[in-house]
Amino acid sequence: DAKTTQPNSMESNEEEPVHLPCNHSTISGTDYIHWYRQLPSQGPEYVIHGLTSNVNNRMASLAIAEDRKSSTLILHRATLRDAAVYYCILIGIYNQGGKLIFGQGTELSVKP
Amino acid sequence: DTEVTQTPKHLVMGMTNKKSLKCEQHMGHRAMYWYKQKAKKPPELMFVYSYEKLSINESVPSRFSPECPNSSLLNLHLHALQPEDSALYLCASSQAITQGKGIMNTEAFFGQGTRLTVV
Repeated sequence: DAKTTQPNSMESNEEEPVHLPCNHSTISGTDYIHWYRQLPSQGPEYVIHGLTSNVNNRMASLAIAEDRKSSTLILHRATLRDAAVYYCILIGIYNQGGKLIFGQGTELSVKP
Repeated sequence: DTEVTQTPKHLVMGMTNKKSLKCEQHMGHRAMYWYKQKAKKPPELMFVYSYEKLSINESVPSRFSPECPNSSLLNLHLHALQPEDSALYLCASSQAITQGKGIMNTEAFFGQGTRLTVV
């Protein structure tokens, strides 16, 4: 399984944009890049995913490098509710059963 | 309904007890998952069911026994657990879409988990 590397922790101020990086230098052509987050005392929740092109949804944007060896999750205006652990996960379509394997993630804290 | 419901929310069991964790979803998802999460650690994959068949077992000890009686339900049967098995047990589901020889899984929805304490 291709591996991802994320910083252990990041800090942000409320109302400011946050850029959460993820390195995945061994990504294969059929691996999708997924982001999940886990708020305190809750199960993980899906944030966004993409393959090659940048993606936007109501929660965040995903910027994917041209060589696909890295990606960045962008929260446009951080709120206190965005404080969570953010996980970058590669999921290959030829992964039997679609393994969703969590790495260590980035713990995001948001200051008022 | 985009909810995955897990019961019970909390469970305390002795090492000689037999208990079951239950998970239910009504989104028509054909992939269902069990994860174990210790405090301050990421969730660890235990089992994956795809179209009601066990497709992945991540070398989980036999004291954990999964069961998928139908496409909406997933159980985890527990027997002779150890105190170190105390953790948050999470269930998840996702749609499984066949793409050529592969399977594309859409976003996974997670339950709130069962907090298990083994005494």
